[in-house]
Amino acid sequence: DGGITQSPKYLFRKEGQNVTLSCEQNLNHDAMYWYRQDPGQGLRLIYYSQIVNDFQKGDIAEGYSVSREKKESFPLTVTSAQKNPTAFYLCASSDEGGRGRETQYFGPGTRLLVL
Amino acid sequence: AQSVAQPEDQVNVAEGNPLTVKCTYSVSGNPYLFWYVQYPNRGLQFLLKYITGDNLVKGSYGFEAEFNKSQTSFHLKKPSALVSDSALYFCAVRGPSGNTPLVFGKGTRLSVIA
Repeated sequence: DGGITQSPKYLFRKEGQNVTLSCEQNLNHDAMYWYRQDPGQGLRLIYYSQIVNDFQKGDIAEGYSVSREKKESFPLTVTSAQKNPTAFYLCASSDEGGRGRETQYFGPGTRLLVL
Repeated sequence: AQSVAQPEDQVNVAEGNPLTVKCTYSVSGNPYLFWYVQYPNRGLQFLLKYITGDNLVKGSYGFEAEFNKSQTSFHLKKPSALVSDSALYFCAVRGPSGNTPLVFGKGTRLSVIA
C-alpha cells in the first residue's frame, strides 16, 4: 500500500446523500486515479488527474465528482445521482513522465455501503 | 483502444505444483504490461511489469511472466505454488503513447490447495 492512504476504510451512505472518499499520497506523484471494483468486473476507471487543477473522466464518471487542488490529494465525491454506489473504491497514483512506463501504486481501498 | 483479457475466472492448483495465470492483450504499438495481486479487502500490490527487452520478467514473491508478442500474451507463472499465493490476480496494459491510465482485466482468482 506504500505511501497512499484512503479513508475511511468503511463508509455508509444514506439515500440522497453525497459522500466523499479521501485519498492522500506522499510519493510526490503527479498522476492520481480512482477505480471502482465490483465482483467479477475487475477495476473500472472513474476519474484521473495527471496534474494539479486538471482531471479527466474515465469510463464510469456519471454520478461521481473529483477535485485536485493539491498534488497530494484527490478526493472522490459519490453524489446522490449514483444509484448503485455499493462497491470497493481504489485510489492509485503514479509518477507520470509521459513515457507510460511508470507503475501505478494503490491505496488500501474504501468499501462503500448503502443503508 | 486498449484491452486485456483474462480467460479464466478461477485457477486451482496443488501446493508445490507450477502455476500459470493467463493474460492476453490488445493495443496499438508496443505495450507496457503489468501484473498485480489483491488479497481480500486490500488494495492491489504490484508484482512485475514488462517495458522492453528480455521477454521473461521476474518479479516479487518468485513470480515471473513471459511476454509473447506474436501471441499477444503475458502469462504469469511460478514454478512452485504456495497456499499463501491464493489471491486475486490482475493483468493490466498501457499503450506506448503514455500518459494514460492502466486498463485492467477482470481478474483471475487463484486457489492453491494444500
